[in-house]
Amino acid sequence: GDSVTQMEGPVTLSEEAFLTINCTYTATGYPSLFWYVQYPGEGLQLLLKATKADDKGSNKGFEATYRKETTSFHLEKGSVQVSDSAVYFCALSAANQGGKLIFGQGTELSVKP
Amino acid sequence: NAGVTQTPKFQVLKTGQSMTLQCAQDMNHEYMSWYRQDPGMGLRLIHYSVGAGITDQGEVPNGYNVSRSTTEDFPLRLLSAAPSQTSVYFCASSLETGSTYEQYFGPGTRLTVT
Repeated sequence: GDSVTQMEGPVTLSEEAFLTINCTYTATGYPSLFWYVQYPGEGLQLLLKATKADDKGSNKGFEATYRKETTSFHLEKGSVQVSDSAVYFCALSAANQGGKLIFGQGTELSVKP
Repeated sequence: NAGVTQTPKFQVLKTGQSMTLQCAQDMNHEYMSWYRQDPGMGLRLIHYSVGAGITDQGEVPNGYNVSRSTTEDFPLRLLSAAPSQTSVYFCASSLETGSTYEQYFGPGTRLTVT
């Protein structure tokens, strides 16, 4: 079945460092891909999305490109801040599956001053 | 708009007790769903609904019931709580945007079953 695999955390970075969180997926057809962020004690918020191959989603300095050839959707940010400390989830929504999301296991990011 | 609201925020149950987790949304979204979040496993879909009167099972439905009598409300019922149901529960509602759906999550209910 469809699945999402993320790099394991926790990831610890210094402020202004470059961030990459790897995400790969397995799905039939052409799924939509998402990154969600969960700040401590809160629910999930949509960070960015991409709905077709080669689309780049971006928001708040974060970017991810839908790569169908490598079935990947890696999250990147050029310069992280302490306020980016959170858990990041990669997810897919398969075509013709309505709003059902399949999540990766989440990657905890901790940014130190 | 309040968005997606969930009550209670925290709950402790004894094994065998029943309870209902409440979820409401004021965005007129047709699609609503329940997920549970467990350490190292991401979120897993329990049940979902594509509109009032229509519900279906997700990945981990056992031990849970749902109903959808109105567009706004989607309660999740635990019939006989078990320690394996200790988790954080999130309700979500979805907006269809073009070719995909954007999901809006509630703040969660942290449930402990002893």
